[in-house]
Amino acid sequence: EVQLVQSGGEVKKPGESLQISCKGSGYIFISYWIGWVRQMPGRGLEWMGIIFPDDSDTRYNPSYEGQVTMSVDKSISTAYLQWSSLKASDTAIYYCVKLAYRWGPFDFWGQGALVTVSS
Amino acid sequence: EIALTQSPGTLSLSPGERATLSCRASQTVRNNFIAWYQQTPGQAPRLLLYGGSSGATRATGIPDRFSGGGSGTYFTLTISRLEPEDFAVYYCQVFGSSPLTFGGGTKVEIK
Repeated sequence: EVQLVQSGGEVKKPGESLQISCKGSGYIFISYWIGWVRQMPGRGLEWMGIIFPDDSDTRYNPSYEGQVTMSVDKSISTAYLQWSSLKASDTAIYYCVKLAYRWGPFDFWGQGALVTVSS
Repeated sequence: EIALTQSPGTLSLSPGERATLSCRASQTVRNNFIAWYQQTPGQAPRLLLYGGSSGATRATGIPDRFSGGGSGTYFTLTISRLEPEDFAVYYCQVFGSSPLTFGGGTKVEIK
């Protein structure tokens, strides 16, 4: 059974750094692109970017380039989303997703991680 | 970059009724590469259907009351007979190349 298990919710202050994780199982982790999706409170879905675990090839949505960093540790089948300096506007639920293939539909989703940034 | 506009914003229907949701693209979608997702309150979205040159394919485990259609710039998601668990928000998405844009969503609510 394919599963993407994300780390728990976080409460941070503006300016702090954060890394959230997404562990894949039940499939060959290095063979499928992993993506990240943001959902701000009460809003729709926004695609942030994708990363290929085997070689860390990363493609960002231009709207998120320079705002976040995606990475993977293929030895533990885990993908990461990182912020160096959080803003209140980063408050959202972040989902990791498995792509069916490069630039394909998102066939499996993590449970989501709520990040709250507040002073 | 393709923009997707979903309509209506909210659809009020009763269980057993037919629902038709629309997704209009700002330019032609190559190979009809449109996917549809369902999100129930407090849950992660899930993939329902994805399009291709030979038509729309249901994701694993998705009941056959869900079907997808359309081509070019106009796409639809049809739920033939609404079940209580189908009242949710539905999103379309273009795939196949960057950016992997989502539409704004349609909420299907109980009338």
